[in-house]
Amino acid sequence: AQSVAQPEDQVNVAEGNPLTVKCTYSVSGNPYLFWYVQYPNRGLQFLLKYITGDNLVKGSYGFEAEFNKSQTSFHLKKPSALVSDSALYFCAVRDYSGGYQKVTFGIGTKLQVIP
Amino acid sequence: NAGVTQTPKFQVLKTGQSMTLQCAQDMNHEYMSWYRQDPGMGLRLIHYSVGAGITDQGEVPNGYNVSRSTTEDFPLRLLSAAPSQTSVYFCASQDSLSTDTQYFGPGTRLTVL
Repeated sequence: AQSVAQPEDQVNVAEGNPLTVKCTYSVSGNPYLFWYVQYPNRGLQFLLKYITGDNLVKGSYGFEAEFNKSQTSFHLKKPSALVSDSALYFCAVRDYSGGYQKVTFGIGTKLQVIP
Repeated sequence: NAGVTQTPKFQVLKTGQSMTLQCAQDMNHEYMSWYRQDPGMGLRLIHYSVGAGITDQGEVPNGYNVSRSTTEDFPLRLLSAAPSQTSVYFCASQDSLSTDTQYFGPGTRLTVL
């Protein structure tokens, strides 16, 4: 069965500093990986995805993620954090099983950017 | 283009009551899903639909029914609400199974007393 782990419940970073939100995954086939962001009282918004190709994926709002097959990781990164980046971040993995897509979400990591 | 809309935003029910959570999308997407979000558990798939007239169960379907009579609408019905169904419910849509991005509605916060 596929799974996603987000080992940190919360990440605190000072404004202007680089940030990393960690994600590791487990799938039986090729991984289809995603990051979503959730602002308070809002639905999830797509940030970026890895399907195939370059291991460094660039997404919305200056975020990027690095796919590492040997470490089964897909960490989210940003070179310089903004206070407005404070939100809940979800890593997800997608697989097709029995004719439908199964998307497994991590439990989420709260990012707090301190002014 | 409103995207994915959900109503109501908040709802309080008593145990045993029934209700329908509404979801609509105006992007002509084939694939729609219902998730529930609980603290410490991420999002879990309740039901999904790959097109009008076609629905199937997800990971946690018990206590919920769905139907898909049109491409646009995908209501979620709670037949007899239980406190364990207290959660935030999100509807999502996707162009097709071959595309990758899901678009989420703003959510419905449901409390069952």
